[in-house]
Amino acid sequence: DQQVKQNSPSLSVQEGRISILNCDYTNSMFDYFLWYKKYPAEGPTFLISISSIKDKNEDGRFTVFLNKSAKHLSLHIVPSQPGDSAVYFCAAIPTRQGAQKLVFGQGTRLTINP
Amino acid sequence: DAGITQSPRHKVTETGTPVTLRCHQTENHRYMYWYRQDPGHGLRLIHYSYGVKDTDKGEVSDGYSVSRSKTEDFLLTLESATSSQTSVYFCAISGIPGQGAEQPQHFGDGTRLSIL
Repeated sequence: DQQVKQNSPSLSVQEGRISILNCDYTNSMFDYFLWYKKYPAEGPTFLISISSIKDKNEDGRFTVFLNKSAKHLSLHIVPSQPGDSAVYFCAAIPTRQGAQKLVFGQGTRLTINP
Repeated sequence: DAGITQSPRHKVTETGTPVTLRCHQTENHRYMYWYRQDPGHGLRLIHYSYGVKDTDKGEVSDGYSVSRSKTEDFLLTLESATSSQTSVYFCAISGIPGQGAEQPQHFGDGTRLSIL
């Protein structure tokens, strides 16, 4: 059973517009959520995170929103740039203490069109 | 990135042969992890280590073993490779001594393993 789900395998957005990537989870024990970005032939790189005690975290063009009651989080990228074209993974862990046993979604391939 | 080197980067081998993948870090992180990435599944945790000679199983550990004899090296072994183990394998590290637990994992660039 997939505890973290990204139901959109792909997303295409015009350059300069907003990209919204979505993620749902089923395990209410998850305490911390992360987004990773992955380019081909490279490892995932950390993008932004949010604790379950918050509902929003912002870092430059990237904002993550968490709706605990709906068990849903989203990543907003605005404005979208060509370099944002990549696969985005959301991930969750029950605690940041100790070993971080990340549970990943399937990923969403974002394409930014010029 | 972040002082993580995976070797080899690519490997093709035959069913039934043993395979060992190496992860080497230069950052003195306490925790090391092995994940596999497959279409439709994202990344899934195979095994992880919380110190020298201290390891534990992840979500998809069957058919894999690991060893960590030094802080900087974490080995993943497929004792008898099967075609279902064809995948991209990623090593990750976390837990910088003296820093908070909030530091996210950093990943290596992966090993593409094909088992024919």
